[in-house]
Amino acid sequence: EDQVTQSPEALRLQEGESSSLNCSYTVSGLRGLFWYRQDPGKGPEFLFTLYSAGEEKEKERLKATLTKKESFLHITAPKPEDSATYLCAVQERNSGNTPLVFGKGTRLSVIA
Amino acid sequence: DAMVIQNPRYQVTQFGKPVTLSCSQTLNHNVMYWYQQKSSQAPKLLFHYYDKDFNNEADTPDNFQSRRPNTSFCFLDIRSPGLGDAAMYLCATSRTRAGAEAFFGQGTRLTVV
Repeated sequence: EDQVTQSPEALRLQEGESSSLNCSYTVSGLRGLFWYRQDPGKGPEFLFTLYSAGEEKEKERLKATLTKKESFLHITAPKPEDSATYLCAVQERNSGNTPLVFGKGTRLSVIA
Repeated sequence: DAMVIQNPRYQVTQFGKPVTLSCSQTLNHNVMYWYQQKSSQAPKLLFHYYDKDFNNEADTPDNFQSRRPNTSFCFLDIRSPGLGDAAMYLCATSRTRAGAEAFFGQGTRLTVV
């Protein structure tokens, strides 16, 4: 069973059409949840870290929220330059050293 | 100002011919990671270093090795690349292993012919 599931796999929006991307996770204890943006052929670019339920972070047209089982990345009035794959990753809280576990991402296309 | 630099950006190697990918960082972070990412898939962790302490993921093939000669540099060695090893290889660093965000390089696209 995947620990991190992102939906939808792909999303096509008109410029200005707001929407949300979902990241659900099944780790028993969350140390941190991370959102990244990845452009084609490039490495992921860090966006946000969320640590506890109820936490919110914002950057320009993006807002990330966190509950006990999922996170949303809200995109308000998107522009074509927001087109990218958005990756979610979680780190489980335990006594050992746990790496980030990534979801497969949501591929966002914003059409002018 | 690039903080995690991977070289080369594109690498073509022959089936079975050893290849080395390199990564350097200017962040002075303790942790360095190597991920493999295939098309439309999640990045998959191969191994990581915490300082000089090497941590291999259980399902990382023996064909993949790594070296970290100092804080700034880390190398990924693929001893005998197969066609299935063609992928984007991503290097990342973080300040700590617990709760700190990772910063990625631009990746090396490996093609095996």
